[in-house]
Amino acid sequence: TQLLEQSPQFLSIQEGENLTVYCNSSSVFSSLQWYRQEPGEGPVLLVTVVTGGEVKKLKRLTFQFGDARKDSSLHITAAQPGDTGLYLCAGEGYGQNFVFGPGTRLSVLP
Amino acid sequence: DTAVSQTPKYLVTQMGNDKSIKCEQNLGHDTMYWYKQDSKKFLKIMFSYNNKELIINETVPNRFSPKSPDKAHLNLHINSLELGDSAVYFCASSQEGRGFYNEQFFGPGTRLTVL
Repeated sequence: TQLLEQSPQFLSIQEGENLTVYCNSSSVFSSLQWYRQEPGEGPVLLVTVVTGGEVKKLKRLTFQFGDARKDSSLHITAAQPGDTGLYLCAGEGYGQNFVFGPGTRLSVLP
Repeated sequence: DTAVSQTPKYLVTQMGNDKSIKCEQNLGHDTMYWYKQDSKKFLKIMFSYNNKELIINETVPNRFSPKSPDKAHLNLHINSLELGDSAVYFCASSQEGRGFYNEQFFGPGTRLTVL
């Protein structure tokens, strides 16, 4: 069974700070996605990374896929209260086995 | 013009009852999913349907049965509800094929409470 771990589990920071959250596995994934979920809503896709070593930027968010395609990181620059939410990584293994990590709950205080 | 919709939004019922949750997507996607999110926010896949065929069936009790009348709908029927079934259930859809990576579009969720 392919599993994804995320760290930290909880993160509370002040507006304007930078942060990095991590998504790790011992398994290789053909692709990895990051989602953000706000209270009372479903997860919303932020990005998909496919190639080992790939870096994608979405405004103040930078996503990186590990060279071996087993891990990923999300870096947020100058966090804002609107970034508050549950950040989930999800990996697609081979054979369409799709798994979500447990999430990092981010709180950005004004 | 909601992409993935679910009904009802909230469902409160007694133990032992049978209930259904409906899901519809207007994205033209090939695959639909049901997920269960527990109180710790852990999102676990339950089922997925591709072209009306079940392609993933995780180890969920057989009291849960997905039903897909057509490509745009995947309903979840639950028999003999138990206290442990209380959770938020999310429907999602994705497009398969070259250039797609099963990027999922989620519905707003159905919060099920079993008393």
